[in-house]
Amino acid sequence: DGGITQSPKYLFRKEGQNVTLSCEQNLNHDAMYWYRQDPGQGLRLIYYSQIVNDFQKGDIAEGYSVSREKKESFPLTVTSAQKNPTAFYLCASSYSTGGPTEAFFGQGTRLTVV
Amino acid sequence: AQKVTQAQTEISVVEKEDVTLDCVYETRDTTYYLFWYKQPPSGELVFLIRRNSFDEQNEISGRYSWNFQKSTSSFNFTITASQVVDSAVYFCALSEAPGYSGSRLTFGEGTQLTVNP
Repeated sequence: DGGITQSPKYLFRKEGQNVTLSCEQNLNHDAMYWYRQDPGQGLRLIYYSQIVNDFQKGDIAEGYSVSREKKESFPLTVTSAQKNPTAFYLCASSYSTGGPTEAFFGQGTRLTVV
Repeated sequence: AQKVTQAQTEISVVEKEDVTLDCVYETRDTTYYLFWYKQPPSGELVFLIRRNSFDEQNEISGRYSWNFQKSTSSFNFTITASQVVDSAVYFCALSEAPGYSGSRLTFGEGTQLTVNP
């Protein structure tokens, strides 16, 4: 079945550590996105990529980094510079032509700082 | 800057009641797209509908209907004869179109809908 796979589902990070969240899609989508969701809030865009080897900052990119070496993969690294990383992280993908299109979402990774 | 407001944080209804979720948006663009997504307890967002700013026709899909009014910058979502399985968080979202494709979205805060048996 086509879809988006995020791993792990739950992740615990110690203070000062970098952690990487995985996102893989087999939908043949060009564009991929990372969103952050905090309790009682909507999703906020961290980074997005419309094509391999290119990505752009979203609204809250500070303390995060990404790479896009393959079309199918868009990992997100939460660095120690992110002061409040505890949140629910959602990865999404979509086609990147023909105007804004529906995005398909993964099931998310819940990151907790311990 | 874009903004989406969902003033209803939580709504609780009894099964078979109709319920309307409100969405008000702000944008300076004349061309834009509006979306509704459903987030069940499992966490992933499920796409429900996309409308562009030039299409103000109301849409009905089964028990779901959407009312888009540019004059009031609103894109409200109604569930008719609600069911327990409709319980979820519902998000309204906005995407500007000029110069960009894909799905870079500005989300509202979401409305938690609980349908009680």
